[in-house]
Amino acid sequence: QSVLTQPPSASGTPGQRVIISCSGSSSNIGRNYLYWYQQLPGTAPKLLIYRNNQRPSGVPDRFSGSKSGTSTSLVISELRSEDEADYYCSTWDDSLTAWVFGGGTKLAVL
Amino acid sequence: EVQLVESGGGVLQPGGSLRLSCAASGFTFGDYAMHWVRQAPGKGLEWVSFITGDGRDTYYADSVKGRFTVSRDNSKNSLYLQMNSLRLEDTALYYCTKETQTTGFDHWGQGTLVSVSS
Repeated sequence: QSVLTQPPSASGTPGQRVIISCSGSSSNIGRNYLYWYQQLPGTAPKLLIYRNNQRPSGVPDRFSGSKSGTSTSLVISELRSEDEADYYCSTWDDSLTAWVFGGGTKLAVL
Repeated sequence: EVQLVESGGGVLQPGGSLRLSCAASGFTFGDYAMHWVRQAPGKGLEWVSFITGDGRDTYYADSVKGRFTVSRDNSKNSLYLQMNSLRLEDTALYYCTKETQTTGFDHWGQGTLVSVSS
């Protein structure tokens, strides 16, 4: 069981908006920045969102993040076929003194 | 260009030991904390360990505490993970990642595969 909870799967059609949630607790999301990573099939993870809602250079503005209390969301607008990947949320947990990841959400573009 | 290249993976029996290495280039290695993250076949990401830039502080996941030791040699731009008392459940692709305080794990290697099998 992961400390951060994500839905195992999500799906959408090209052009749609998809939201992936990630929930935690006061010791992790509630106190620390949240990060999102994208893992395309057969590749290493890639940083997608940092500090809750910031995008590294090169990440399209179709990707956005938000945080409220102990929950956070990744929003992918104008879904494209190349967005089909696994998405992971991650943050530091003050109680565990450890970094934690969500279980991952597999996004299918139908 | 930042590059992280892991090596040292292999196939071994339960109870065995292995040392993973990560060769870094393209940045001032000693200025950054470095992490190991693993991914079991078909599973999600699991954080394993990290070491501060100066090597003074280390942290471990409970699943590896007491068995794994992270270290670094800033003169060689290298990160290491000494893995002892390996278990079947340690089978995974092990990634080396660079942490930037402001942006998280901003660069990842391609991983090295560790397979523990009886």
